[in-house]
Amino acid sequence: EAGVAQSPRYKIIEKRQSVAFWCNPISGHATLYWYQQILGQGPKLLIQFQNNGVVDDSQLPKDRFSAERLKGVDSTLKIQPAKLEDSAVYLCASSPGGAGGYTDTQYFGPGTRLTVL
Amino acid sequence: SQQGEEDPQALSIQEGENATMNCSYKTSINNLQWYRQNSGRGLVHLILIRSNEREKHSGRLRVTLDTSKKSSSLLITASRAADTASYFCATDGAGGTSYGKLTFGQGTILTVHP
Repeated sequence: EAGVAQSPRYKIIEKRQSVAFWCNPISGHATLYWYQQILGQGPKLLIQFQNNGVVDDSQLPKDRFSAERLKGVDSTLKIQPAKLEDSAVYLCASSPGGAGGYTDTQYFGPGTRLTVL
Repeated sequence: SQQGEEDPQALSIQEGENATMNCSYKTSINNLQWYRQNSGRGLVHLILIRSNEREKHSGRLRVTLDTSKKSSSLLITASRAADTASYFCATDGAGGTSYGKLTFGQGTILTVHP
């Protein structure tokens, strides 16, 4: 079974530029998550999709971050414009289950390491 | 905000020794999970323990959960150099519209020396 795929693996940009990350979850997984992991910290959830609908985006800085999940499969996360503090690893994860108040195991991709200069 | 707080922040041991990491959290949970992250790689799920369970085993891993103290521990027995990684606890909060929302702690960095 193929895992969660992410691209690119590394990205270096100047502040105020824009950047986009792509995620392809495990086939058949209904739920997709984007996390931000700053060096030395645990991952922080940015947004959670259930199929192609947003379940939770309470910690997404909506003035500069946006995300979409077209047709309930692939997802893109965009930052525009980037700030220095956005330097982090952006992790995508997916899980099989749907809504219902329970938690599945989450399967993580390798992440995209973003450096903002 | 981080729900889980791991202790210690860093742990250094010799191969063959046991490693114990602790996690404390603040609010009621549905379940608690432990993940491992090797340098330069994504997170890998290790074990999930539900709020009505007290202990769970998986290979060389043993997890305990004390909901009255809002704490959990992860024990790795007979550690190997390959166990060198960061270990995170993650909690799924009870009630509301959690729908699988995990809150991760800061992690414990484990180094196992050959």
